[in-house]
Amino acid sequence: DTAVSQTPKYLVTQMGNDKSIKCEQNLGHDTMYWYKQDSKKFLKIMFSYNNKELIINETVPNRFSPKSPDKAHLNLHINSLELGDSAVYFCASSQTAGSYEQYFGPGTRLTVT
Amino acid sequence: AQKVTQAQTEISVVEKEDVTLDCVYETRDTTYYLFWYKQPPSGELVFLIRRNSFDEQNEISGRYSWNFQKSTSSFNFTITASQVVDSAVYFCALSPGNIKAAGNKLTFGGGTRVLVKP
Repeated sequence: DTAVSQTPKYLVTQMGNDKSIKCEQNLGHDTMYWYKQDSKKFLKIMFSYNNKELIINETVPNRFSPKSPDKAHLNLHINSLELGDSAVYFCASSQTAGSYEQYFGPGTRLTVT
Repeated sequence: AQKVTQAQTEISVVEKEDVTLDCVYETRDTTYYLFWYKQPPSGELVFLIRRNSFDEQNEISGRYSWNFQKSTSSFNFTITASQVVDSAVYFCALSPGNIKAAGNKLTFGGGTRVLVKP
């Protein structure tokens, strides 16, 4: 069984569109994250949720809005997509309260044309 | 602010050679955690190891070993007798160790691409 899953794996869309990426974890973790990996492989955190509560919100444009319907799911909605949003987006999860290792999903490659 | 530097962008070796990946970090925290992740060509991120700042013991797991030196703020990773399947990008990462703060973020280094040739 996949521990952290993301859908879709690939997403190709045009500028100005709105799209969502879904993430689910079956590890029983309380904390989930979104990371962005750019074309140079640089990884940077975007958001983190703990028990459906936003706890980390890095400097990310307001066009990006995370939503956590329950602690096993963390979705990422992106409005008015721009060329610079093209990247691989990774979802991750970890146990609460401490720097436990984070387990990553397979990534979603977003291409904005 | 936390920072992780992986000075080597790419390393190429021939199979069975040893390869050491350097990782230097900066933090003002007295307690923190260090990690290594592997990203093979298929793209997923695979957790390899976690080390807390109070544990400077070196660790060995099969062909992998890690050398943590607090005095030089380094957490280096060695692959012994490399194999083609070790070809990947390897990331070093750092997180604060405040156990009261849930969901500490990982600060990643820029990654080192390892290419193992047959």
